[in-house]
Amino acid sequence: DGGITQSPKYLFRKEGQNVTLSCEQNLNHDAMYWYRQDPGQGLRLIYYSQIVNDFQKGDIAEGYSVSREKKESFPLTVTSAQKNPTAFYLCASSTGGHLEQFFGPGTRLTVL
Amino acid sequence: AQSVTQLDSQVPVFEEAPVELRCNYSSSVSVYLFWYVQYPNQGLQLLLKYLSGSTLVKSINGFEAEFNKSQTSFHLRKPSVHISDTAEYFCAVKGRTGTASKLTFGTGTRLQVTL
Repeated sequence: DGGITQSPKYLFRKEGQNVTLSCEQNLNHDAMYWYRQDPGQGLRLIYYSQIVNDFQKGDIAEGYSVSREKKESFPLTVTSAQKNPTAFYLCASSTGGHLEQFFGPGTRLTVL
Repeated sequence: AQSVTQLDSQVPVFEEAPVELRCNYSSSVSVYLFWYVQYPNQGLQLLLKYLSGSTLVKSINGFEAEFNKSQTSFHLRKPSVHISDTAEYFCAVKGRTGTASKLTFGTGTRLQVTL
């Protein structure tokens, strides 16, 4: 079945550690996105990539980094520079038309 | 630039009652509009979308939304809700023109259906 997978579902890290969240899609979509979700704030765009080896900052990119070496994969690294990293992180992808976005199941990151 | 306002953060409703979840948007260009649903600890699923044509769009599970350009609204309605409709609902907008390929989401409305 085609879809988007995110791993792990739950992730715990100590403050000051970098952590990488995985996102893989087998939908053959060109564009991929990372969102952060906090209670009462909806979804906020962290980074997005329209093609391989290219990505752009979203609205809240500070403290995060990404790479897009393969069409299927768009990992997100939460660095120690991110002031408040505890959140639910959602990955999404879309076709070249960028209309409908398909979402993964999310990763809940808790920094202790 | 564009923005989405969902004024109701929570909407409690009894099963089999009708419900309306409100969504208003602001944009300097014409838009595409979407409603997504999120069940607890899951990702978002597309519920319905307005791209062009008929301003009334419907989902397979009984929800409908109407694009009202003059009022810049895209309210979501269901004539009779079920317990399984309990979830968080997000309205989203995307401009038809411009370089940005991103969706702008509202803050969400939590629909709580009880017996």
